Amino acid sequence: NAGVMQNPRHLVRRRGQEARLRCSPMKGHSHVYWYRQLPEEGLKFMVYLQKENIIDESGMPKERFSAEFPKEGPSILRIQQVVRGDSAAYFCASSRSPSGANVLTFGAGSRLTVL
Amino acid sequence: GQNIDQPTEMTATEGAIVQINCTYQTSGFNGLFWYQQHAGEAPTFLSYNVLDGLEEKGRFSSFLSRSKGYSYLLLKELQMKDSASYLCAPLNNAGNMLTFGGGTRLMVKP
Repeated sequence: NAGVMQNPRHLVRRRGQEARLRCSPMKGHSHVYWYRQLPEEGLKFMVYLQKENIIDESGMPKERFSAEFPKEGPSILRIQQVVRGDSAAYFCASSRSPSGANVLTFGAGSRLTVL
Repeated sequence: GQNIDQPTEMTATEGAIVQINCTYQTSGFNGLFWYQQHAGEAPTFLSYNVLDGLEEKGRFSSFLSRSKGYSYLLLKELQMKDSASYLCAPLNNAGNMLTFGGGTRLMVKP
């Protein structure tokens, strides 16, 4: 079991460019969560998706950020027109089901640096 | 909403015992998780408490008091490799979202 796979592990972008972060959940997991972590801070929830549906995007900025989890392929977190404040580690986590002891398995993260 | 409070940093000596406290205020509650995160790595699951009391798992134990909105993680026989951040995370009422505290950075010294 390969676990939660995220790529790229490191991404450098200039202000105004687009960043695309990918997440392949664990085999058998259909629930995906994206979290953002600023240096020396905790994990902040961004968005929760199931296949082809956004369940909760209350933590995601209204502008420039979008997420999808298509029927086939990985979940993608897209940040348009990046700014320096977007520099952070973006963690994806997946789970088999949303209820009960919802143990999230995290990927290794994608570290975005905006120059 | 959710409000989670845990100390920012703690220091302890190898071989000792340390207790990391977490208080929370949530609009709904369905259990509480503790995760460990080494610098630059992914958080990894440590424990889950849904009922009051102490859950013991090897050198690590976790306690929950739902009426007080309080949990702690107890680490015994500390090892250098236990130096990491420890994240407290209550689960919401629907059971589909974890909200993380800022984490407690534990430094274990020889």
